[in-house]
Parts: sequence; structure tokens; C-alpha cells
Amino acid sequence: DIQMTQSPSSVSASVGDRVTITCRASQDISSWLAWHQQKPGKAPKLLIYAASTLQSGVPSRFSGSGSGTDFTLTISSLQPEDFASYYCQQAYTFPRTFGQGTKVEIK
Amino acid sequence: EVLVEESGGGLVQPGGSLRVSCAASGFTFSSYAMNWVRQAPGQGLEWVSVISAGSGYIDFAGSVKGRFTISRDNSKNTLYMQMNSLRAEDTAIYYCVKASDGSGKNYFDYWGLGILVTVSS
Repeated sequence: DIQMTQSPSSVSASVGDRVTITCRASQDISSWLAWHQQKPGKAPKLLIYAASTLQSGVPSRFSGSGSGTDFTLTISSLQPEDFASYYCQQAYTFPRTFGQGTKVEIK
Repeated sequence: EVLVEESGGGLVQPGGSLRVSCAASGFTFSSYAMNWVRQAPGQGLEWVSVISAGSGYIDFAGSVKGRFTISRDNSKNTLYMQMNSLRAEDTAIYYCVKASDGSGKNYFDYWGLGILVTVSS
């Protein structure tokens, strides 16, 4: 199985801060990577697919980059509604696997 | 609007069985693969199972292989998962998740609200 490792596991930030989350795959997955956002008590929601393509309706302050084994999710200017957990997920093969999640908390 | 809505969750004893369903609307159900993903209390996301658009490809996570089955009725726009020999560690919210394509490499593009399955005596 492909292991997905996210860092950090949590980050404390203020509104307006730039936040960066990294995700590493245990083998080359090309650009078959997605990022999902999950707010407390809610279902996850697709933010980014193909490593860097924003899902329809997702604000442009979110961006993704990377290919191969190393990927990054960046929030350019954190907004109050962005405090949530973020999961990377490989879409290259089955079993699909997720990173352990990064919780973005209010400083 | 794409909607997927789970039903059939609840409390079941260890060793018991449960069937969860997912009703889909707002898209051509028969053209897309569907998945189940679960989340144990306070934990991360775990993919459970996939079924391709025409049911020709099915796969399971190792943790449920041999105990869970997945099926779909494209005439009813409904996805099912039969869960047998349930264990305490199967306790989780189960999400029905639409894929972005009928099979192969694709993305989880729409998630249901989830349904809670609790395995406890």
C-alpha cells in the first residue's frame, strides 16, 4: 500500500497568515493527489485534485503543488472559515490512502 | 445538484450484520464509480471499498476484505454495503463518496453527510 505522510499534524495560525501543509507519498504517484477539507462535525469536501487543480467553487487563496512523491497545500491568507482539518489522498491506485490529517487551529 | 445520502446505520452487536445504503441524485449514477470511506471517532479517514460504474471492478481495504460486500443498483441510483462479522473496530461514520469517473484513476469529488455505525454489546 502507498503510505501518505502529512506534516505538521497540527498548526496554530492567525487570520491572514500563510499556511503550508506538506504531504509525502511512499512511492511515485505522478500528480494523482487530492486534498480534502473537513470542518468539525461535517463531511469532508474536495478542495484540490490532480495535485494543483481547484475544485469548482474553491477560493483562489487555496493552491496545491508538487508531483512524484512530494506535495504542498498552501492557504495564502487564512480566513476564519478555513479552520479545519486537511487530508491529502492518493488517487493513483487501490487501496486509496489518506494522510493522517493536519488540523489548522486558531492562534 | 449532486447529492448522495446514506441510510441504514445504527447499533449492532459484535459479530452481527448491517446493510448501509446510499441514494444518489443529481448525476448519471450509472456512469460513475462509487466508494465507501469511514472515519472512526476522533480519527482520520480510511477508504473501505470501491465499485466501478458497471460493477465490473470491486475492491476492499484489507481490514474488511472477506467480511464486507459492495453492490449497486443502477436502475435505483443506489449503492449498498453489506457488513458482516462486525467488530468493535468497525465503529465509525461511513461516508458514501462519488468518484469523478467510472473506473480506474479518479477522485472523490462528492461526499455524503455520513452515517454512524456503532458495534457494541
